Amino acid sequence: KQEVTQIPAALSVPEGENLVLNCSFTDSAIYNLQWFRQDPGKGLTSLLLIQSSQREQTSGRLNASLDKSSGRSTLYIAASQPGDSATYLCAVKADSSYKLIFGSGTRLLVRP
Amino acid sequence: NAGVTQTPKFQVLKTGQSMTLQCAQDMNHNSMYWYRQDPGMGLRLIYYSASEGTTDKGEVPNGYNVSRLNKREFSLRLESAAPSQTSVYFCASSRGAGVDTGELFFGEGSRLTVL
Repeated sequence: KQEVTQIPAALSVPEGENLVLNCSFTDSAIYNLQWFRQDPGKGLTSLLLIQSSQREQTSGRLNASLDKSSGRSTLYIAASQPGDSATYLCAVKADSSYKLIFGSGTRLLVRP
Repeated sequence: NAGVTQTPKFQVLKTGQSMTLQCAQDMNHNSMYWYRQDPGMGLRLIYYSASEGTTDKGEVPNGYNVSRLNKREFSLRLESAAPSQTSVYFCASSRGAGVDTGELFFGEGSRLTVL
């Protein structure tokens, strides 16, 4: 059974710092992996989608990497800003199902 | 650009009452989903619909029914609400279906409290 883990559960950094969020999954037979952002009291906003054949995807200050063999993905945020404060979730789709398995998220606080 | 719209945003029910959560998307997406989000449990899939008239049970379907009225709308019904159904409910949609669903787009959520 696929399990998705995000460590740490919470992270606090000063503004301007580059940071990495981690996502681990137990079954490497994935179809794709998606990173989301969730602001308090709001829905999830899709940030990046990486197909299993890709190694990384970039959008602005965000870069997501995928290493299927080790069961890991990282979300790199460059030059962090207070507006980046939110919970970041990763979700994995198995290559045989429509179902997304979500991690429990990393709550990020960027201090001014 | 509305995306995925859910109503109501907040609802308080008494045990045993029934209600329907409504969801509509304007992106011409094929797949629609209902999730619930609970502290410590993360997001769990309740039901999925790949197209109009088709639905599939997710991880936690007990106590819920769904209806894919047309391509745009996907409703979630609680026939007899229980305190265990207190949660935040999210509707989502994606362009594709089956394995290749593509990105998921979420609504703002419906916060339900069952007393």
